[in-house]
Amino acid sequence: NAGVTQTPKFQVLKTGQSMTLQCAQDMNHEYMSWYRQDPGMGLRLIHYSVGAGITDQGEVPNGYNVSRSTTEDFPLRLLSAAPSQTSVYFCASSYSRQNDEQYFGPGTRLTVT
Amino acid sequence: KQEVTQIPAALSVPEGENLVLNCSFTDSAIYNLQWFRQDPGKGLTSLLLIQSSQREQTSGRLNASLDKSSGRSTLYIAASQPGDSATYLCAVRQSGNTGFQKLVFGTGTRLLVSP
Repeated sequence: NAGVTQTPKFQVLKTGQSMTLQCAQDMNHEYMSWYRQDPGMGLRLIHYSVGAGITDQGEVPNGYNVSRSTTEDFPLRLLSAAPSQTSVYFCASSYSRQNDEQYFGPGTRLTVT
Repeated sequence: KQEVTQIPAALSVPEGENLVLNCSFTDSAIYNLQWFRQDPGKGLTSLLLIQSSQREQTSGRLNASLDKSSGRSTLYIAASQPGDSATYLCAVRQSGNTGFQKLVFGTGTRLLVSP
């Protein structure tokens, strides 16, 4: 198992550009989510999905879009990048059962200039 | 709103010491608590998962306890080694409006173990 994979590892964008962060898992997990990590603020939930075709907003969804067409993939789209979106982005997955642990990808470090 | 606090924010110890990292949370209605390790520039590695019905979990030199009623968890590291140097994060898992059990994270304790 590759676990949770994310691409790219690093990205630099100019303000106003759009891009998609990729996330995939090969563990047949139903639950997938995106977090951002900022210094002094911990990880915060952006969007999540409880299964293919089902997504919802987390704490900080503005400026981001998601879709879940397959169980394996959960891409995060930045619609029009802003400097405030400079952060490290982590994708996570878990089984649908509430007591299972969450597995995290290696992260994508994004800088918006 | 759930808030998770980790104290201390940073800790520096000599190799071989036993140490305790603290995590507190404000809402005791949680499903479980998970401790993670994060190395600089890397992702999160799960260390221990404690269900809400459990009091503690052990893995090697690590022991995590949970007192749900008082909103506290501790991570005990025995005989610390330089390789333990990392940031340690705790996160509680709780139900959201649509049934999604999101993780709420603390800001971490940065540990440095010197030889």
